[in-house]
Amino acid sequence: GAVVSQHPSRVICKSGTSVKIECRSLDFQATTMFWYRQFPKQSLMLMATSNEGSKATYEQGVEKDKFLINHASLTLSTLTVTSAHPEDSSFYICSAVMGLGSYEQYFGPGTRLTVT
Amino acid sequence: DAKTTQPPSMDCAEGRAANLPCNHSTISGNEYVYWYRQIHSQGPQYIIHGLKNNETNEMASLIITEDRKSSTLILPHATLRDTAVYYCIVRVGGNQFYFGTGTSLTVIP
Repeated sequence: GAVVSQHPSRVICKSGTSVKIECRSLDFQATTMFWYRQFPKQSLMLMATSNEGSKATYEQGVEKDKFLINHASLTLSTLTVTSAHPEDSSFYICSAVMGLGSYEQYFGPGTRLTVT
Repeated sequence: DAKTTQPPSMDCAEGRAANLPCNHSTISGNEYVYWYRQIHSQGPQYIIHGLKNNETNEMASLIITEDRKSSTLILPHATLRDTAVYYCIVRVGGNQFYFGTGTSLTVIP
């Protein structure tokens, strides 16, 4: 149980285009999802907290207009990187919390974004 | 910001116990300690968590000091597949995880 998927697993896009990454909880409902980014050989950096049906809460220094987050249902959150640039190239990882008193985060397998 | 510090790397012989330390001296009374591990280019995997009592599951044991300022993750019989980066995380009030730099564990045959 507690499986989280991400799609796509890898994406290459041209500079200036937008890319959408999906995060799905496959066998549970997630009231809260989180988005992280990870640069090579570095740790995960929390970008934002996404609660179903409400606006995401962004960490300091993360541009909300560049990284659009939508959490339209209890099993799906999306991250859209708008007007992507090469410096946005990174490993993007989502996680989901089952709720009901459980606070473990279950992580997706990650999405490798390369902006050329 | 991460509230934990860990050694950057450790080695462990296959079949032996791996003891991974973590300092969290500023932890508050109601903040839990979580351990995750990340194998290269994958999402982190949950291992164990605790508040103040020692915990054990099928993967590992977690020993938390009485003053809660540090903890140790124990993998009782390390295998080559346990080679990974291990993160000790303090869950803050809003349920966010702020990852520190973690410990890169290498299990040696």
